[in-house]
Amino acid sequence: QSVLTQPPSASGTPGQRVTISCSGSSSNIGSNAVNWFQQLPGTAPKLLIYTNNQRPSGVPDRFSGSKSGTAASLAISGLQSDDEADYYCAAWDNGLNGWVFGGGTKLTVL
Amino acid sequence: QVQLVESGGGVVQPGRSLGLSCAASGFTFSSYGMHWVRQAPGKGLEWVATIRNDGSHKYHGDSVKDRFTISRDNSKNTLYLQMNSLRVEDTAIYYCTRGLPMAGDHWGQGTLVTVSS
Repeated sequence: QSVLTQPPSASGTPGQRVTISCSGSSSNIGSNAVNWFQQLPGTAPKLLIYTNNQRPSGVPDRFSGSKSGTAASLAISGLQSDDEADYYCAAWDNGLNGWVFGGGTKLTVL
Repeated sequence: QVQLVESGGGVVQPGRSLGLSCAASGFTFSSYGMHWVRQAPGKGLEWVATIRNDGSHKYHGDSVKDRFTISRDNSKNTLYLQMNSLRVEDTAIYYCTRGLPMAGDHWGQGTLVTVSS
């Protein structure tokens, strides 16, 4: 069981907007920055969002992140077929003194 | 460009040891904390260990504490993970990844560790 809680699956049609939630606690999301990763099948994770809502260079502005209290969310607008992937949230946990991940959300583009 | 290349994976029997390396290039290795993250087959990401840029502080996940040790050699731009008393449940792809300020901005391709008798 993961420390951060994500829905196991999400779906949308091309062009739609989807959001993926990530719930934590005061020792992780409530105290530290949240990062989001995208993992395509058979590949290493890729950083999508860092420090809650910042995009690394090269990540389209269709991807956005937000955080409020002990919860965070990733929004993907203008959904495309190649957005189909697993998405993970992560944050440092002050109690565990370690990086904690969500269990991952498998996004399906219908 | 930033590159992280893991090596050292393979098949090992339960109870045995294995050492992983992560060769870094394209950035000032000594300025960054580093992490090991693993992914069991068909499962999600699991943090394994973290080391500060100068090696002064090390953190290990509960599932590997007292069995795995993270270390680094800044003169060789290399990160290490020494894995002892391996268990079947340690079977996973092991990735190294860069730390702050954009934690996880670069990942290696991963190295597969299979623990099996």
